[in-house]
Amino acid sequence: DADVTQTPRNRITKTGKRIMLECSQTKGHDRMYWYRQDPGLGLRLIYYSFDVKDINKGEISDGYSVSRQAQAKFSLSLESAIPNQTALYFCATSEDSNTEAFFGQGTRLTVV
Amino acid sequence: QQQVKQSPQSLIVQKGGISIINCAYENTAFDYFPWYQQFPGKGPALLIAIRPDVSEKKEGRFTISFNKSAKQFSLHIMDSQPGDSATYFCAAPLPRGTNAGKSTFGDGTTLTVKP
Repeated sequence: DADVTQTPRNRITKTGKRIMLECSQTKGHDRMYWYRQDPGLGLRLIYYSFDVKDINKGEISDGYSVSRQAQAKFSLSLESAIPNQTALYFCATSEDSNTEAFFGQGTRLTVV
Repeated sequence: QQQVKQSPQSLIVQKGGISIINCAYENTAFDYFPWYQQFPGKGPALLIAIRPDVSEKKEGRFTISFNKSAKQFSLHIMDSQPGDSATYFCAAPLPRGTNAGKSTFGDGTTLTVKP
């Protein structure tokens, strides 16, 4: 089984719909992250969580919200999806800030 | 704003050649300098990383060179192979309580190794 599992892997949704992307990890790490990847823009940080009670906004948090349901679960929601949120989304986890980050396989989201 | 600036954006190398990707960082408090490799359709995965107490680390054909005074670290791929064709990212740590919101990854370098 993968260390970090994202669901769904692909999703097409309509403008204005609410959508949730889910992430679970089996590494036992406290830190979890959500990134967005667009061509030529690298990986941009949306939200990050240092533990269940510590959630922080990243550089592009507008239009997104998160929930840390447990140490192993960190979900990302788009309250009202818009076309420019079409992107590849990655969840990651790490033991600490200066250790290896483990990434999921990604969720390809298309907003039409 | 980014904590690390990566160059070049794209790189084409002949098989057997040397690929060099550079990364400049801002925060002198960083203590971990990783490079991640990403293949199409996959998530990034750690390739190699270095701590600031050494100037170079080598793992097979991959070497990180670290220049603390210049605040730069680079990835060298020796004897580049077509299978090395991927996107490479440098990254910076995200310490608790500091620089909240800043990106932790460079923009990425797309490496193409021609046979």
